[in-house]
Amino acid sequence: GESVGLHLPTLSVQEGDNSIINCAYSNSASDYFIWYKQESGKGPQFIIDIRSNMDKRQGQRVTVLLNKTVKHLSLQIAATQPGDSAVYFCAETKGAQKLVFGQGTRLTINP
Amino acid sequence: KAGVTQTPRYLIKTRGQQVTLSCSPISGHRSVSWYQQTPGQGLQFLFEYFSETQRNKGNFPGRFSGRQFSNSRSEMNVSTLELGDSALYLCASQLAGVETQYFGPGTRLLVL
Repeated sequence: GESVGLHLPTLSVQEGDNSIINCAYSNSASDYFIWYKQESGKGPQFIIDIRSNMDKRQGQRVTVLLNKTVKHLSLQIAATQPGDSAVYFCAETKGAQKLVFGQGTRLTINP
Repeated sequence: KAGVTQTPRYLIKTRGQQVTLSCSPISGHRSVSWYQQTPGQGLQFLFEYFSETQRNKGNFPGRFSGRQFSNSRSEMNVSTLELGDSALYLCASQLAGVETQYFGPGTRLLVL
């Protein structure tokens, strides 16, 4: 079926440490993946994306890794800051059609 | 460039009523998608409009409908509201042919 799931619903990290948020997807035909960050009371905010012909993409303090063999996506956040506290969603799509979202991982930063 | 805007931000309705939510996409974006977000079901796709035509539809009952105007602004309507319709309704816009969707702040609907 179509579903994008996340391995952990919550993740707590120390400020300054690196965070890794994981996501498993089920549709092997998906060709585009996005990570969104949603802070309380706000809509999802685009973080980074990756196409299926890539296995890694880097942004500012964030890296997305795609493993098509095991249908796994991860978001790495370097030097996690208090402002990174949010719920992170992965989403998949094929051919610019609708996005299918995972359930989200709540990232908490400990001082 | 202004982001996606949604009005109203908050709504309280009673069962059986209907509601209309509005979304203004980013300038130049002709595709508008609507999502329902609840704690139990997460983010679920409602429908997508492009050039005033519904291009994609999710698995929601016919009480949920939408439309898009010639200026790309979109509205969604929910008739005969049920308690389970309480949710955050999110609108997202995207450029034609580009996968990335940009979200508005959402409309939080509470049905009593």
